[in-house]
Amino acid sequence: DTEVTQTPKHLVMGMTNKKSLKCEQHMGHRAMYWYKQKAKKPPELMFVYSYEKLSINESVPSRFSPECPNSSLLNLHLHALQPEDSALYLCASSQVLFRRAYEQYFGPGTRLTVT
Amino acid sequence: ELKVEQNPLFLSMQEGKNYTIYCNYSTTSDRLYWYRQDPGKSLESLFVLLSNGAVKQEGRLMASLDTKARLSTLHITAAVHDLSATYFCAVDSVSSGSARQLTFGSGTQLTVLP
Repeated sequence: DTEVTQTPKHLVMGMTNKKSLKCEQHMGHRAMYWYKQKAKKPPELMFVYSYEKLSINESVPSRFSPECPNSSLLNLHLHALQPEDSALYLCASSQVLFRRAYEQYFGPGTRLTVT
Repeated sequence: ELKVEQNPLFLSMQEGKNYTIYCNYSTTSDRLYWYRQDPGKSLESLFVLLSNGAVKQEGRLMASLDTKARLSTLHITAAVHDLSATYFCAVDSVSSGSARQLTFGSGTQLTVLP
């Protein structure tokens, strides 16, 4: 199984809502990533988890809260978002050997619209 | 800070023609990736280049890596309409501690015209 799954595929939320994005992989990968991608731009790294511990937070606003409950699952909790947070949110995972991460496999993404 | 420059940003080419996309990066890295993205879709991995002089080919696409020049190229041979997409290069580097991350180029939006 070389698949990263993400749910939901589409999400529309108001600025006062709380919602969560979910990402799952069963490849035994121990590094998982959240990216944000605006239209016609490259993906921007938000968070990296390595062995279920947060290892990179790219100065992301606190209205985005990541969680890695186990080695297969990665969540992104959303609260009080702004319209400019509307984007495609991509999850990725990679193998880690000798503290070195390898090729990242990307999920299909969640298209988020904040109204 | 690692910078990755990709050019051209936009490329329109006729079917059957050849062209090259360039990816320059600013600091040492021995690992470079090429991805394809169709509109509204996720990233599809095309090539992983792991060492200086690496060359990989798949169909009409060929990628190469020159780590000394800090340059990778994606060459398109005899383009067909199905190759229309956005292509990203991404360079692997070490961030804080031992965590590694990808830094993406701006992307090349390729349109192949009949």
